[in-house]
Amino acid sequence: AQSVSQHNHHVILSEAASLELGCNYSYGGTVNLFWYVQYPGQHLQLLLKYFSGDPLVKGIKGFEAEFIKSKFSFNLRKPSVQWSDTAEYFCAVNGGFQKLVFGTGTRLLVSP
Amino acid sequence: DTAVSQTPKYLVTQMGNDKSIKCEQNLGHDTMYWYKQDSKKFLKIMFSYNNKELIINETVPNRFSPKSPDKAHLNLHINSLELGDSAVYFCASSHVITGTSSYEQYFGPGTRLTVT
Repeated sequence: AQSVSQHNHHVILSEAASLELGCNYSYGGTVNLFWYVQYPGQHLQLLLKYFSGDPLVKGIKGFEAEFIKSKFSFNLRKPSVQWSDTAEYFCAVNGGFQKLVFGTGTRLLVSP
Repeated sequence: DTAVSQTPKYLVTQMGNDKSIKCEQNLGHDTMYWYKQDSKKFLKIMFSYNNKELIINETVPNRFSPKSPDKAHLNLHINSLELGDSAVYFCASSHVITGTSSYEQYFGPGTRLTVT
């Protein structure tokens, strides 16, 4: 069965600090990988996705993620966070039949 | 120009009642989903429909019954509500990216269900 692990449950950073959120997946087939963000009280929005090709993908709001197949990882990065990045971040992997399997999420708090 | 919409946004009801949540997408997608997000923010798929046909049913109690009158709508009916049903329910839809076997899901704003 497919699974996704996000090891950082809570992350607290100051503004301008760099961010890296870990995501490891377990899936035997061709993977599609996603990072979604959920701002307080809002719905999920797609930050970025990896389908194929360049393993370093750029997303919205300055986020990027790197797919490392040998490590089954898809870590999210941002060089300099802002207070407005405070949110919950979810990594997800396709699970066949267009089903997404989500990680447990990482709550990011950025202090001004 | 809302892409995926859900009603109601908030639903407060008592144990034992029956309630429905509606979802509509105007993106022309063939596949729609219901996800449940619990109090710890964990998201798990419940159902998926493709062209009005059920394709995913993830060991959800029989009290939950999805209905898709057409491919733009996927409603969720819940019978005999229990305290543990309190959660945020998200509807989503997806399409296959042209020329690939990959897809992207778009989520609705969520319905916060509180069972007292």
